[in-house]
Amino acid sequence: ELKVEQNPLFLSMQEGKNYTIYCNYSTTSDRLYWYRQDPGKSLESLFVLLSNGAVKQEGRLMASLDTKARLSTLHITAAVHDLSATYFCAVVGAHTGNQFYFGTGTSLTVIP
Amino acid sequence: ETGVTQSPTHLIKTRGQQVTLRCSSQSGHNTVSWYQQALGQGPQFIFQYYREEENGRGNFPPRFSGLQFPNYSSELNVNALELDDSALYLCASSDTGTGTYEQYFGPGTRLTVT
Repeated sequence: ELKVEQNPLFLSMQEGKNYTIYCNYSTTSDRLYWYRQDPGKSLESLFVLLSNGAVKQEGRLMASLDTKARLSTLHITAAVHDLSATYFCAVVGAHTGNQFYFGTGTSLTVIP
Repeated sequence: ETGVTQSPTHLIKTRGQQVTLRCSSQSGHNTVSWYQQALGQGPQFIFQYYREEENGRGNFPPRFSGLQFPNYSSELNVNALELDDSALYLCASSDTGTGTYEQYFGPGTRLTVT
C-alpha cells in the first residue's frame, strides 16, 4: 500500500518567519495535491502538481514536486496568522487508479 | 456553479444501526469518491464511483457500500455500525475529462456512533 508521510506533524511559528513542510511517499507517482483544512471544515484545494519539477505558487505558499526523490514540499514565506490550519498532501500512485492517499497532516499555528 | 454538497451535516446513531449519507457532485463532474476522516487523521479512501460503477475500493469491509445515480449524485451506506465508525465522512467529486483528476470536497457529514 502506498504510504504518505508528512513532517512535521505539528508546527508553531511566528508571524513573518519562513518554514517548509515535507511530504514523502513510498511508490511511483506523478500526481500530488496539497489541501488545507480549517478546524471542523472540509478540505480546500491549494495546489495540483502533475510532473517532476513542477512548482506552483499562490500568495505566501509555494509547492514543488520531485518525483525521483518521491518528495513534495510546501514552503511558507513570511507567515501570517490566517495561514493557521492543517495542511495535507495527497498522492495518486502510478498503479492505484485515481485513489488519493493522504498524509497524516501538518497542523500549523502561526503566532502573532 | 454549485459545489459539492452533503447531507446531513451531523448524525448520531447507535451501534448496530444502519446509516445512509448523501452527496451531490459539483456540476459537470462524473466521478465521486468517499473518504473517512477520523479525528486527527488524514482522510482514508473508502471507494470511488464513475458513471454509476464502483471504480476502486480502499481497505474497508463490505458493510460499507455505495451507489451513484445517473445525475452523478451518490450515497454511502454503512451497516452494523461500530463505535470506530465515528468520523467525518467526506465526499469528493472530480471530472476525469480535465486530466488533473483534482478532487473537490464537500463539507462532510459528522457521524457519531454511541
